[in-house]
Amino acid sequence: KAGVTQTPRYLIKTRGQQVTLSCSPISGHRSVSWYQQTPGQGLQFLFEYFSETQRNKGNFPGRFSGRQFSNSRSEMNVSTLELGDSALYLCASSLDGGSTYNEQFFGPGTRLTVL
Amino acid sequence: LAKTTQPISMDSYEGQEVNITCSHNNIATNDYITWYQQFPSQGPRFIIQGYKTKVTNEVASLFIPADRKSSTLSLPRVSLSDTAVYYCLVNTGGFKTIFGAGTRLFVKA
Repeated sequence: KAGVTQTPRYLIKTRGQQVTLSCSPISGHRSVSWYQQTPGQGLQFLFEYFSETQRNKGNFPGRFSGRQFSNSRSEMNVSTLELGDSALYLCASSLDGGSTYNEQFFGPGTRLTVL
Repeated sequence: LAKTTQPISMDSYEGQEVNITCSHNNIATNDYITWYQQFPSQGPRFIIQGYKTKVTNEVASLFIPADRKSSTLSLPRVSLSDTAVYYCLVNTGGFKTIFGAGTRLFVKA
């Protein structure tokens, strides 16, 4: 089975621009979560989607948004980029997400650099 | 959401057993305890998950006392390739996963 894939792997943008990151979950997985990882803040939960609906949301500003398609693929968008948005953005998929017994499978991440 | 506390870093030598303890005083009845491993520039990887007592798989063992307010990840006979950050998480249904700061394990030759 193919793992979680994320595109692009690396991205360089300038302040004020917007960016869209893509995540393809493992086949059959319906839950997709997004995380931001920085040296200072560690791994922070952004949001989780299940069956095209956002089910959970972390404490990030409205500039961070996402969506999930009917095939469970997900995209994350960041508008009006700031220098502090430079981070590794990780996507994780799981079968359900609503169960307490859940293994998340992480993708390799997208390294975003904002200049 | 239950908060977890782990040591920031640990050092070990190849061949030794490593035990990393995590405290989660506010764990709820429905919460499971999960451990992940992360190498630099990679996504975290699931190691083990448990609810109570002891769970063992081919990679590690997880010990959870009766009060479930802490848990210990045990890595038998570590090697250099086990150098990584280890995260302890407490999962609750509804899936809003909170990662703590993790424990940076450094294995020396």
